[in-house]
Amino acid sequence: DAGVTQSPTHLIKTRGQQVTLRCSPISGHKSVSWYQQVLGQGPQFIFQYYEKEERGRGNFPDRFSARQFPNYSSELNVNALLLGDSALYLCASSSNWGTEAFFGQGTRLTVV
Amino acid sequence: KNEVEQSPQNLTAQEGEFITINCSYSVGISALHWLQQHPGGGIVSLFMLSSGKKKHGRLIATINIQEKHSSLHITASHPRDSAVYICAVLTSGSRLTFGEGTQLTVNP
Repeated sequence: DAGVTQSPTHLIKTRGQQVTLRCSPISGHKSVSWYQQVLGQGPQFIFQYYEKEERGRGNFPDRFSARQFPNYSSELNVNALLLGDSALYLCASSSNWGTEAFFGQGTRLTVV
Repeated sequence: KNEVEQSPQNLTAQEGEFITINCSYSVGISALHWLQQHPGGGIVSLFMLSSGKKKHGRLIATINIQEKHSSLHITASHPRDSAVYICAVLTSGSRLTFGEGTQLTVNP
């Protein structure tokens, strides 16, 4: 079975641009969460979706948005990119509420 | 003060040594994850536990809910164990709160 897949793996964007990151959860998993990991730090929670509804949002500005589709895949959108948005963006899926999380390889975003 | 604290931040060991990484947390949790992150970023879940002890190969994880503390032990360490080990707690709303990670280097 395929694990959590994220695309693209690497991305370079210019300040002010918009970016969309994609995540496909493990088949049958209904929950998807997004995390931002700045170099040298632990990941920080951005969003959680369960059964296509937003169930939690971290302390991130409104430039960050996300959604979950009927097939449980998810997109993370970031508008008006800043240099400080450069980070590894991780997606995690779990089969149900509160169950073990499985992570994708991440998307490394560089804003120049 | 972070809700999840790990120690040590950096750890260097010789091959074969017994290694312990500690995690303390200050919030109510439903479970705790130990994760491994290699250069390049991918995160692998090693354990999820809510009580007691779990063992997988050379890895052992323990948790004491009353003391809000968990430990990850690696027996007979090997250079391929070199990675960042992250403790993450599952809090209300099923979100994970992470520690800063422990960089482990095992020298041959």
